[in-house]
Amino acid sequence: AQSVTQLGSHVSVSEGALVLLRCNYSSSVPPYLFWYVQYPNQGLQLLLKYTSAATLVKGINGFEAEFKKSETSFHLTKPSAHMSDAAEYFCAVRGSGAGSYQLTFGKGTKLSVIP
Amino acid sequence: DTGVSQDPRHKITKRGQNVTFRCDPISEHNRLYWYRQTLGQGPEFLTYFQNEAQLEKSRLLSDRFSAERPKGSFSTLEIQRTEQGDSAMYLCASSLLEESQYFGAGTRLSVL
Repeated sequence: AQSVTQLGSHVSVSEGALVLLRCNYSSSVPPYLFWYVQYPNQGLQLLLKYTSAATLVKGINGFEAEFKKSETSFHLTKPSAHMSDAAEYFCAVRGSGAGSYQLTFGKGTKLSVIP
Repeated sequence: DTGVSQDPRHKITKRGQNVTFRCDPISEHNRLYWYRQTLGQGPEFLTYFQNEAQLEKSRLLSDRFSAERPKGSFSTLEIQRTEQGDSAMYLCASSLLEESQYFGAGTRLSVL
């Protein structure tokens, strides 16, 4: 069984400041981890994924995330926030074993960017 | 490749009516998934298909819900005798086997 906890339902940062969105996971098997972004009234867009290769994963729009097994974390960062980053972000986990298919999502973190 | 397409984008219905949603996956993807997202929550898994076979259904999928994927192409999700608790965003995703899942824009259902 897998689960995801996203700390902070709402995060506000100033434009140009560091973005840090926290995600901790629980998984009984080696996990695959994902970050998705959702803009209002839209579906989810894949930002990046971890699939047991490099622990530091680079995604689109300048985002990156680091897999830390010892901390069971997969936090999302971006060095400098842009107004267009304002959206809701979801962390998700999936088992890496054969037959794994469904994603288990966290409750999401809404990011606001203050000009 | 135009991505995952869902129709309609919005649906308003009265309690007790039946509704049907359609999802067209990315053309070469053989897996198709349905998720439900309620306000303030992340998406929750409902069911998935590999080609035309429905291989798993969540306990969230009550008897009033049925999904099909004839010929392994598009999929439909039908809700019979809708209830106010069915109001949610219904998201479809597709993938090539165990590769990343790509989501459509969703169908927002409002049950009055």
